[in-house]
Amino acid sequence: GQSLEQPSEVTAVEGAIVQINCTYQTSGFYGLSWYQQHDGGAPTFLSYNGLDGLEETGRFSSFLSRSDSYGYLLLQELQMKDSASYFCAVRDGAGSYQLTFGKGTKLSVIP
Amino acid sequence: EPEVTQTPSHQVTQMGQEVILRCVPISNHLYFYWYRQILGQKVEFLVSFYNNEISEKSEIFDDQFSVERPDGSNFTLKIRSTKLEDSAMYFCASRRRGQLTGDYGYTFGSGTRLTVV
Repeated sequence: GQSLEQPSEVTAVEGAIVQINCTYQTSGFYGLSWYQQHDGGAPTFLSYNGLDGLEETGRFSSFLSRSDSYGYLLLQELQMKDSASYFCAVRDGAGSYQLTFGKGTKLSVIP
Repeated sequence: EPEVTQTPSHQVTQMGQEVILRCVPISNHLYFYWYRQILGQKVEFLVSFYNNEISEKSEIFDDQFSVERPDGSNFTLKIRSTKLEDSAMYFCASRRRGQLTGDYGYTFGSGTRLTVV
């Protein structure tokens, strides 16, 4: 079966750095993505890692280690608007473009 | 910024009734999806659609569900006889063709909140 594990909740202070980890066990692996979802809103694509290493997009970075079946999302210079749920998602088939999502991490940014 | 548009935003229906959820994907995207999210839970894959046919479907997508792209722009999800457990937020998504090792980001619509009573 497919499983993705990420912490259910994280709290961090405005201006700080926070890391959200994701470990996965899937029958296949063709990339790890991260999505942000504000309450009542649609998931929004943040980043994708197909190969090992770090991808940086502004204040957000994402890392992947395929040998460890592990990735993380790093958010820097936290802002109040970053309070949201963050989902990791795996594409698990070569011919498959469906995503299997984790249960999400609710990030609360406090002043 | 191109958007995926979903209508209606909210739908309340009686158990056993048929509902049709509508989506207009981004015009130059080639792959279309329906996902659902039960309140407080993770996003779950229902079905993917490419080249006017279903390419994959999950165990959730049983005979009560169907999808259509009737006119080249709309993409619909029909639930034939709704059950209480179908209550969820239903998201439509579309995706451009990705590179071999590139981005596979979806653009999600804002969702339709379906409540079955």
